[in-house]
Amino acid sequence: DTEVTQTPKHLVMGMTNKKSLKCEQHMGHRAMYWYKQKAKKPPELMFVYSYEKLSINESVPSRFSPECPNSSLLNLHLHALQPEDSALYLCASSQEGPSGRGNQPQHFGDGTRLSIL
Amino acid sequence: GDSVTQMEGPVTLSEEAFLTINCTYTATGYPSLFWYVQYPGEGLQLLLKATKADDKGSNKGFEATYRKETTSFHLEKGSVQVSDSAVYFCALSGYTNAGKSTFGDGTTLTVKP
Repeated sequence: DTEVTQTPKHLVMGMTNKKSLKCEQHMGHRAMYWYKQKAKKPPELMFVYSYEKLSINESVPSRFSPECPNSSLLNLHLHALQPEDSALYLCASSQEGPSGRGNQPQHFGDGTRLSIL
Repeated sequence: GDSVTQMEGPVTLSEEAFLTINCTYTATGYPSLFWYVQYPGEGLQLLLKATKADDKGSNKGFEATYRKETTSFHLEKGSVQVSDSAVYFCALSGYTNAGKSTFGDGTTLTVKP
């Protein structure tokens, strides 16, 4: 069983809709991540939160808006998405964030498969 | 910048065959190295890791040794099973980019009975 829970598992939305993806972890991890993954490709980093503060934004378009309400929760708010945004969105967490040594693995959820009509 | 190069796939093997998936890296300093596996319809799972030179990571019959002299971290398994069919990603992370893991392109493994 995955220790990082993502909801919903699937989401279909139109280009004018607003929706949110949710992620939860109860491992006490200090860093949480959003990734976008296209079929047969590696995950692409979007955002990193460290101690509930946004520490990395990989120049993601503003139609994606992250939020970290507390140390266990991470949201990704979606608005006015484009068809090319259809992908698997993965949340991950790790014990350390950008200020760490980089020797801790990331724990991934099973993702939300997003389709934009 | 940092980079990870994995052998191109897909790789198709018969059950009980020996598996090697090559991974080489370029990085400053002394990164930690990871292998992740992604089964169909799931997220990535950590398979094994090594944090310093000559460390061997192992899990579920898979092994990989951190070779600094050849900047490699090849994944091996002596006898694969159908259930090992998945996509395997080599990744690194280090002091200079601890918030960002650098992933290889992934290698798709299919094991036939």
